Amino acid sequence: DQQVKQNSPSLSVQEGRISILNCDYTNSMFDYFLWYKKYPAEGPTFLISISSIKDKNEDGRFTVFLNKSAKHLSLHIVPSQPGDSAVYFCAAKRGGGSQGNLIFGKGTKLSVKP
Amino acid sequence: DTAVSQTPKYLVTQMGNDKSIKCEQNLGHDTMYWYKQDSKKFLKIMFSYNNKELIINETVPNRFSPKSPDKAHLNLHINSLELGDSAVYFCASSPYGLELFFGSGTQLSVL
Repeated sequence: DQQVKQNSPSLSVQEGRISILNCDYTNSMFDYFLWYKKYPAEGPTFLISISSIKDKNEDGRFTVFLNKSAKHLSLHIVPSQPGDSAVYFCAAKRGGGSQGNLIFGKGTKLSVKP
Repeated sequence: DTAVSQTPKYLVTQMGNDKSIKCEQNLGHDTMYWYKQDSKKFLKIMFSYNNKELIINETVPNRFSPKSPDKAHLNLHINSLELGDSAVYFCASSPYGLELFFGSGTQLSVL
């Protein structure tokens, strides 16, 4: 049972344009949502997070939007750069602290073309 | 200076063998994890340790046994390896259980 879904396995975007990566979840009890970025042969690295009490969080070129009623979040990258080409994982967690675990989506492979 | 390091990076072995993957973090985090990324690319948690104590133990065969000699180390020992164990195994640590710092992964191939 997939609690976190990333329905687009891949996305291709032109350099300088906006990249929008989508994520849906089923568990309304999730308190935190995170995005991780992964390059080949490396571990995922944390990118940005959002608490369930917010609907937007911005960090430089990266913005995460949360729509709780739709159980949907999205990551916007503006402007997209070739170095952003990677696999992006959406993750969700119930509660803070070391209890509970991060549940990851399957990832979306972003390709930014020069 | 690598924050979370795991060894080996590649592990090729025969069915039935016993193998270990080592993980060390120098970030001073209290919580460490083992995640498995299977052929379908899902990242699933296997174990979580907080200050050397087991916190999370997902449904994992008991052939998998984590060992945490101190809070900077979390090793994974696998007995009687099976074909289905082939995957990439990631170690991670976290200060608060949200932002995880991952190692670069160990690609395990069971032949």
